[in-house]
Amino acid sequence: QKEVEQNSGPLSVPEGAIASLNCTYSDRVSQSFFWYRQYSGKSPELIMSIYSNGDKEDGRFTAQLNKASQYVSLLIRDSQPSDSATYLCAVNIRDSSYKLIFGSGTRLLVRP
Amino acid sequence: DADVTQTPRNRITKTGKRIMLECSQTKGHDRMYWYRQDPGLGLRLIYYSFDVKDINKGEISDGYSVSRQAQAKFSLSLESAIPNQTALYFCATSDPADRGDGYTFGSGTRLTVV
Repeated sequence: QKEVEQNSGPLSVPEGAIASLNCTYSDRVSQSFFWYRQYSGKSPELIMSIYSNGDKEDGRFTAQLNKASQYVSLLIRDSQPSDSATYLCAVNIRDSSYKLIFGSGTRLLVRP
Repeated sequence: DADVTQTPRNRITKTGKRIMLECSQTKGHDRMYWYRQDPGLGLRLIYYSFDVKDINKGEISDGYSVSRQAQAKFSLSLESAIPNQTALYFCATSDPADRGDGYTFGSGTRLTVV
């Protein structure tokens, strides 16, 4: 079992819809969770971080964390074609070492 | 100037050649990392360093070596390049005192081994 798992997609949504991206992780002691956006050939860009159970909102983005079920999700409201990218979930597997383990990413396509 | 700078941006090299990828940062972070990215496999950790005297292997260190010349510089070497090392390589930094920042990535080096 991979430590951080994501559906590779592509996830296709129409412009203006809500895109829902999911990630599960295997290490119960994980403390920090991140979502990165990566455009093709570019470096990952941090868009959300979350540490506590529940929701965290930042503009059109909402991160949701459920430690009991070991999943973290990212909702993108009012999706725009410019949101089309690969979204990487990253988990700090051992808080003391602060190494991030990345999922393989979900490709999101927003149709105009 | 970028916070994390990688050189070169693109490189084509022949099988068996030694090649060095360089990373420098102005963030003042102690922690630096090298990742490679292959299509469908996400980012995989090669080596990481938590300070100048600390070097640690990641999950795919075979065929690679690193040097931490200073707090700001972390170089990755391929001693004898092989075609399956063709990938996109990223350097990253982090500050554990600032958990909200996650990693700061460089722009990447696209390496092709022919």
